This record gives sequence, structure tokens and C-alpha cells, in this order.
Amino acid sequence: DIQMTQSPSSVSASAGDRVTITCRASQGISSWVAWYQQKPGKAPKLLIYAASSLQSGVPSRFSGSGSGTDFTLTISSLQPEDFATYYCQQANSLPYTFGQGTKLEIK
Amino acid sequence: QVQLVESGGGVVQPGRSLRLSCAASGFTFSSYAMHWVRQAPGKGLEWAAVISYDGNNKNYADSVKGRFTISRDNSKNTLYLQMNSLRAEDTAVYYCARDGGPDSSGHDALDIWGQGTMVTVSS
Repeated sequence: DIQMTQSPSSVSASAGDRVTITCRASQGISSWVAWYQQKPGKAPKLLIYAASSLQSGVPSRFSGSGSGTDFTLTISSLQPEDFATYYCQQANSLPYTFGQGTKLEIK
Repeated sequence: QVQLVESGGGVVQPGRSLRLSCAASGFTFSSYAMHWVRQAPGKGLEWAAVISYDGNNKNYADSVKGRFTISRDNSKNTLYLQMNSLRAEDTAVYYCARDGGPDSSGHDALDIWGQGTMVTVSS
């Protein structure tokens, strides 16, 4: 199975900050990575697919990049509603696997 | 609007069975692969199973293989997860999610999620 390792596991930031979350795959997965946002008690929400494609309706302050084994999710200017937990997921091969999550907290 | 609604969760004793349902609306259900993803309390997301648009292809995580069965009824726009021989470690919120495409391994992300249904395995 492909392992997805996210870092950091948690980060504190302020509104307006730029934040980057990274995800490393245990083997090459081309660009088959998705990023999700999850708020407490809610279902995950798709933000980015195919490493860098923005899901419809998602604000443009979210962006993704990377290919092969290293991927990043960047939030260019944090808004209050962005404080949540973020997960990467590989869609290269079954079984699909998720990173362990990054909790983005208010500083 | 596009919607997935899970049901069937509850408290069950170890070794017993439970069947979850996921009712789809607002899109052509029969055109999409569908997944089950679970999340233990306070933990991360764990992919559990996928079924292709026509039900002919299914795949499972090792942790549920041989105990869980994913199925669908396209005439009823409903996805199912039959869970047998339940264990304490199966305790989780179970989400159904739509694949971005028709195939069970088509590299698509999970673009629509239900609100989840809680399964608690405890004596």
C-alpha cells in the first residue's frame, strides 16, 4: 500500500498568514493527489484534485502543487473559516490512502 | 441539489452484523463509482471500500476484507455496506462518498460526501 505522510501534524497561524502543508508519498503517484478540508463534526470537503486542480466553488486562495512523491497545499491568506483539519489522499492506486491530517489552529 | 444521506448506524455487539445505506439524489447515481470511508473517534480518515458504477468491480481495505461487502442498487439510487463480524476497532463514523468518475480505480477524487453515520461496536 502507498503511505501518505503529512507534515506538520498541526500548525498555528493567524488570519492573513500564508500556510503550506506538505504530503509525501511512499512511492511515485504521478499527480494523483487530492486535498480535503474537514471541520469538527462535519464531512470532509474536496478542495484540490489531481494535485493542482481547484474544485468548483473553492476559493482561489487554496492551491496545490507537486508531482511524483512530494505535494503541497497552500492557503495564500488565511481566513477565519479556514481553521480546520486538512487531509491529503492518493488516488493513484487502490487501496486509496489518506495522510494523517494537519490541524490548522488559530494563533 | 446533489446529496448523499447515510443511515443504518447504531450500537452493536462485537461479532454481530449491521447494514449501512446511502441514499443519493440530485445526480445520475448509476454513472459514478462510490466509496465508503470511515473515521474512528478523534482519528483520521480511513478508506474502506469502493464499487464501480455498474457494481461489477469492488475493492476493499485489508482491514475490512472478508467481513464487509459493498453493493449498490442503481434502480433505488442507493449504496450499501454490509458489515459482518464487527469488532471494537470498527467503531467509527462511516461516510459514503461519490467518486469523480465511473471506475473503481479511475484516479478520481471523492467529490461529494454524506454527513456520516456512527457505528459503535461495544458489548
